[in-house]
Amino acid sequence: DVKVTQSSRYLVKRTGEKVFLECVQDMDHENMFWYRQDPGLGLRLIYFSYDVKMKEKGDIPEGYSVSREKKERFSLILESASTNQTSMYLCASNDPGRRYEQYFGPGTRLTVT
Amino acid sequence: AQTVTQSQPEMSVQEAETVTLSCTYDTSESDYYLFWYKQPPSRQMILVIRQEAYKQQNATENRFSVNFQKAAKSFSLKISDSQLGDAAMYFCAYRVIQGAQKLVFGQGTRLTINP
Repeated sequence: DVKVTQSSRYLVKRTGEKVFLECVQDMDHENMFWYRQDPGLGLRLIYFSYDVKMKEKGDIPEGYSVSREKKERFSLILESASTNQTSMYLCASNDPGRRYEQYFGPGTRLTVT
Repeated sequence: AQTVTQSQPEMSVQEAETVTLSCTYDTSESDYYLFWYKQPPSRQMILVIRQEAYKQQNATENRFSVNFQKAAKSFSLKISDSQLGDAAMYFCAYRVIQGAQKLVFGQGTRLTINP
């Protein structure tokens, strides 16, 4: 089975802190994604990466950055956390050779106080 | 830009009954994929069913089936013989075939199954 893991299920940070959310997949997938999930808004794409050291902005990249130094790991960075970044963050990966499915991690619920 | 709309924030159904979740989308593309994803409480998002836009036949997966109306840009999910384990958030999603493989999601529908 494909496994996508995220470093924390729950995280509480203070305004202004630098926050790292880590995602690891074990299926050698080329593509990895970070989404943000908010009630009534569904999932929105923050950033995605189609190869090591490659990244592209999604629909809501402001306030976030990403890092992909190894194929299996994709990190989301909040340079200076703000309360409006309190949300559920979901990581996903897929193999572009398989056209259909993205595999999701369990999510990290981040609260910024 | 592509958009996906789920107009039913919440739905409920009696166990063993049938329920239909609605989804509409907007795109200028002719080739694309449509998906329904399920997110059970405190569990990971999983793919329920997919539909290729070039296929006229509606996709089915066991108790799950879709009604794909390309001209109307409508993609509803029907769950037959509802079970307690079907309780979840359901998301409709869209993806173009060529280019970036990102998904565009709807707002989600929370489905409750009443025993």
